[in-house]
Amino acid sequence: EDQVTQSPEALRLQEGESSSLNCSYTVSGLRGLFWYRQDPGKGPEFLFTLYSAGEEKEKERLKATLTKKESFLHITAPKPEDSATYLCAVQAGNAGNMLTFGGGTRLMVKP
Amino acid sequence: NAGVTQTPKFQVLKTGQSMTLQCAQDMNHNSMYWYRQDPGMGLRLIYYSASEGTTDKGEVPNGYNVSRLNKREFSLRLESAAPSQTSVYFCASKLQGGTDTQYFGPGTRLTVL
Repeated sequence: EDQVTQSPEALRLQEGESSSLNCSYTVSGLRGLFWYRQDPGKGPEFLFTLYSAGEEKEKERLKATLTKKESFLHITAPKPEDSATYLCAVQAGNAGNMLTFGGGTRLMVKP
Repeated sequence: NAGVTQTPKFQVLKTGQSMTLQCAQDMNHNSMYWYRQDPGMGLRLIYYSASEGTTDKGEVPNGYNVSRLNKREFSLRLESAAPSQTSVYFCASKLQGGTDTQYFGPGTRLTVL
């Protein structure tokens, strides 16, 4: 059974304090790993897709990396507007169209 | 482009009532999905439609039915609502198969009393 575990569940940072969010996964043949951002009362907003170990992608203050067992979302010098829940999802080789989501990390950045 | 739209935004039902959640996308996507999101459970797939004319069960299909009305629209029906179906429901779509990105709608918050 495919499993995705995100840690920590919640993270409080001061503005400018860099940190990383973790997504550990167990799947039968990873086809893709997805990061989404979700603001309160809104739908998930796509950030990145990673396909193979060693791959990295960046967008503004966010950088996503992938190994064979986990992915990290690094946040450099965060701002209060980065406060949101960050979701990780995997698509397995035998899962067809289905994504398996982790429980998310709620990030709060204080000014 | 409006992207993925969902109606209604909020709904309160009594146990045993029925309702249909509507979803539409204007991105000419082939695949559409219905998820529910519950605290501590993450997003779980209810049903999906890989292409017009096809539907398949996801992880938690019991108590729900779906209709892929045309390429743009995918509805989710609760025939006899139960308190356990209190949740936030999200519709998503993607262009086609493989690892294309799923794009989500704004959600419907449903409460069943």
